[in-house]
Amino acid sequence: KAGVTQTPRYLIKTRGQQVTLSCSPISGHRSVSWYQQTPGQGLQFLFEYFSETQRNKGNFPGRFSGRQFSNSRSEMNVSTLELGDSALYLCASSRSLPWTVGLATNEKLFFGSGTQLSVL
Amino acid sequence: DAKTTQPNSMESNEEEPVHLPCNHSTISGTDYIHWYRQLPSQGPEYVIHGLTSNVNNRMASLAIAEDRKSSTLILHRATLRDAAVYYCILGVQGAQKLVFGQGTRLTINP
Repeated sequence: KAGVTQTPRYLIKTRGQQVTLSCSPISGHRSVSWYQQTPGQGLQFLFEYFSETQRNKGNFPGRFSGRQFSNSRSEMNVSTLELGDSALYLCASSRSLPWTVGLATNEKLFFGSGTQLSVL
Repeated sequence: DAKTTQPNSMESNEEEPVHLPCNHSTISGTDYIHWYRQLPSQGPEYVIHGLTSNVNNRMASLAIAEDRKSSTLILHRATLRDAAVYYCILGVQGAQKLVFGQGTRLTINP
């Protein structure tokens, strides 16, 4: 079956602009979670969605927002971009919420290849 | 707060076993231990997970200490394709979140 699809793969923006990233989960998965990955900070949790509701949010400023649609596809938005927002943004899909993965047999997170965002 | 600690990097030779350690001294009884790895230019992929008992699958083995404060991912015969960053992740049930380690960059020498 098709994997997790993230678009676009690469993005170059300038400071002050806004950006929207998209994540299409595996069919049947109702949970999408987002992560920021930088060389210095590793993988940082942004937020997670389940059935169109944000269930948890990481420690990021309000410029970072997201949503999930009825078909489970998710978007995240970053407004007023800063140089420090340059990172690889990863999304992951799962049947259940990420922190419950492991409770059910064969349940796991499936990550997309990410969107590489460069802010100039 | 729950935390996982991993070495920044490790190096091994092809066809030799590799033992990747992870410390998670604040783990609770219901927290699962997950291992994912990230190959170059890809998102992380599942390797293995466990709760209390040691686990084996076709990719690796997971050895969990009796007190559960540490675990070791074992690659039995490393290949060049195993070169990746390996993440130890806790599924913290109480706080309802995943806690990521900083990852260990594994280099495999031919």
